[in-house]
Amino acid sequence: AQRVTQPEKLLSVFKGAPVELKCNYSYSGSPELFWYVQYSRQRLQLLLRHISRESIKGFTADLNKGETSFHLKKPFAQEEDSAMYYCALNTGFQKLVFGTGTRLLVSP
Amino acid sequence: DTGVSQNPRHKITKRGQNVTFRCDPISEHNRLYWYRQTLGQGPEFLTYFQNEAQLEKSRLLSDRFSAERPKGSFSTLEIQRTEQGDSAMYLCASSSPGRSETQYFGPGTRLLVL
Repeated sequence: AQRVTQPEKLLSVFKGAPVELKCNYSYSGSPELFWYVQYSRQRLQLLLRHISRESIKGFTADLNKGETSFHLKKPFAQEEDSAMYYCALNTGFQKLVFGTGTRLLVSP
Repeated sequence: DTGVSQNPRHKITKRGQNVTFRCDPISEHNRLYWYRQTLGQGPEFLTYFQNEAQLEKSRLLSDRFSAERPKGSFSTLEIQRTEQGDSAMYLCASSSPGRSETQYFGPGTRLLVL
């Protein structure tokens, strides 16, 4: 079965604290994973993809095939990082399977 | 604004009525996707077009749902005989194929079926 699991509905941290948003996937093929973000009153947008191996807005994510995970990390959270974060799996032709999302709340 | 646009942004209808939503993708994008998002869930794939061809449909897309992309540009999603369970945010996304293919999402159409 193709599935993406984000176990935390809400993650609340203080500004400057490290952040890790968890994502686990189930997929029989070679996975292609993404993190999408939705800021308040804005549309869903791509944050990063695993094949790019890049850091966007200080966020990084490493694909761990052994643990079937793609956790999103940032060493020092900022208030502007507060948003809804979705992990997504490409199951072919860019048909994305999304997790249920994690709301990140960064308090001053 | 050259992003993906969707109309209407909100739709309230009575159970049993038909509704139609429109999506205008980014002009050079030949791939177009429809997703549905209910409260507390992530977006769920409904269907996908490459140019005017509808290449895949989810099992979520019952017979009451139909999507078209007649000229390979804008797309419409029609729901016939709406049910309360159809209440959701309907999202459209478009992309251009390539190794760094990115889906760009529209703002969505929020449907409420009374």
